[in-house]
Amino acid sequence: DVKVTQSSRYLVKRTGEKVFLECVQDMDHENMFWYRQDPGLGLRLIYFSYDVKMKEKGDIPEGYSVSREKKERFSLILESASTNQTSMYLCATGDVPYEQYFGPGTRLTVT
Amino acid sequence: KNEVEQSPQNLTAQEGEFITINCSYSVGISALHWLQQHPGGGIVSLFMLSSGKKKHGRLIATINIQEKHSSLHITASHPRDSAVYICAADNYGQNFVFGPGTRLSVLP
Repeated sequence: DVKVTQSSRYLVKRTGEKVFLECVQDMDHENMFWYRQDPGLGLRLIYFSYDVKMKEKGDIPEGYSVSREKKERFSLILESASTNQTSMYLCATGDVPYEQYFGPGTRLTVT
Repeated sequence: KNEVEQSPQNLTAQEGEFITINCSYSVGISALHWLQQHPGGGIVSLFMLSSGKKKHGRLIATINIQEKHSSLHITASHPRDSAVYICAADNYGQNFVFGPGTRLSVLP
């Protein structure tokens, strides 16, 4: 079974704080993805990575950065959290164009 | 850019009813995925299809490539089927484009 874990299920941060969300997979997949999910908008791709130290912008990268120092770990960084970044964040891994495997999600609230 | 739409947005059904959720997309794709998201957030993949029809238990997924349309059917629905169902268009290995989801509630 593929296992994708995320560092927190729920997180509350203040405006301006630096926020780290971490995702770890145990399946040796090349590709890893960070999405945010908002009501009525569905999942939107923030960044993805197809190899260690490689990253590509998705549809909504503004205000975010990522880091992939090891194959199994993909981090999403909010340099200065803002209230409009309150959302559910989902990490996924897989070998596109095949299935993607999702983590449990992190519900982030920025106050 | 591919636009993916789903209908209905919300659906309430009585246990035992036959349910259909629709998905349409604007640009040709390599595959269409159906995902299920239960309360709490976890997403699991139900189907990946590029043509025809697939069946898994009480779930059936169909796709019409010419019409750029896919449907997910649930036969003999059960309260444990209550979830958000999401379709995702697979753009030839680039990335997924997700529909907004259909929230299904099945009442006992």
